[in-house]
Amino acid sequence: EVQLVESGGGLVQPGGSLRLSCAASGFTFSNYFMGWVRQAPGKGLEWVANIKQDGSEKYYVDSVKGRFTISRDNAKNSLYLQMNSLRAEDTAVYYCANYVRGAAYYFHYWGQGTLVTVSS
Amino acid sequence: DIQLTQSPSFLSASVGDRVTITCRASQGINSHLAWYQQKPGKAPNLLIYDASTLQSGVPSRFSGSGSGTEFTLTISSLQPEDFATYYCLQFKSYPLTSGPGTKVDIK
Repeated sequence: EVQLVESGGGLVQPGGSLRLSCAASGFTFSNYFMGWVRQAPGKGLEWVANIKQDGSEKYYVDSVKGRFTISRDNAKNSLYLQMNSLRAEDTAVYYCANYVRGAAYYFHYWGQGTLVTVSS
Repeated sequence: DIQLTQSPSFLSASVGDRVTITCRASQGINSHLAWYQQKPGKAPNLLIYDASTLQSGVPSRFSGSGSGTEFTLTISSLQPEDFATYYCLQFKSYPLTSGPGTKVDIK
């Protein structure tokens, strides 16, 4: 059974940092692109970042470029999101998901999410 | 960036109704689109990928169609467990983008 379990969320002051983790199991983690998607309270889905299987390619939404860093440790089956210079508008539930190739790509399995609240 | 719009944004329907949700892209995305269902407090759940391929385990009353800039998600006979919010996401190019969602509520 595929499982993605996020952790590391919490309350942080504006300008602060957090590191989110996503522990993967039930599939060969190193074979898959992975990504982070967030959802602000009461809002829709917003893609945040993706990372290639070997970490050699990373993609970010403009609003987080230079502040967030996606990374992975294939030996630990883990995905990370280092978030610096946090802003109130980064408040959201953050989901990790595996990025799968059919005829095109899509996010297949999602974790349960971890809530990040940026507030003073 | 590719913008996705969804219509309607809210839909009130009864059990047994046929429901159609439309997703339009600001530029052609071939079939690089997926549909997700989300219930309150839960993660999104994949329904359809590659615009029209039904994800394994998803009931056959769900179907997707379209290519290019216009896509539809159809629920042939709405069931009580289908009341949720539905999102389309495009995977043609970065940044990946989502439609604003369609909330399906009970009439």
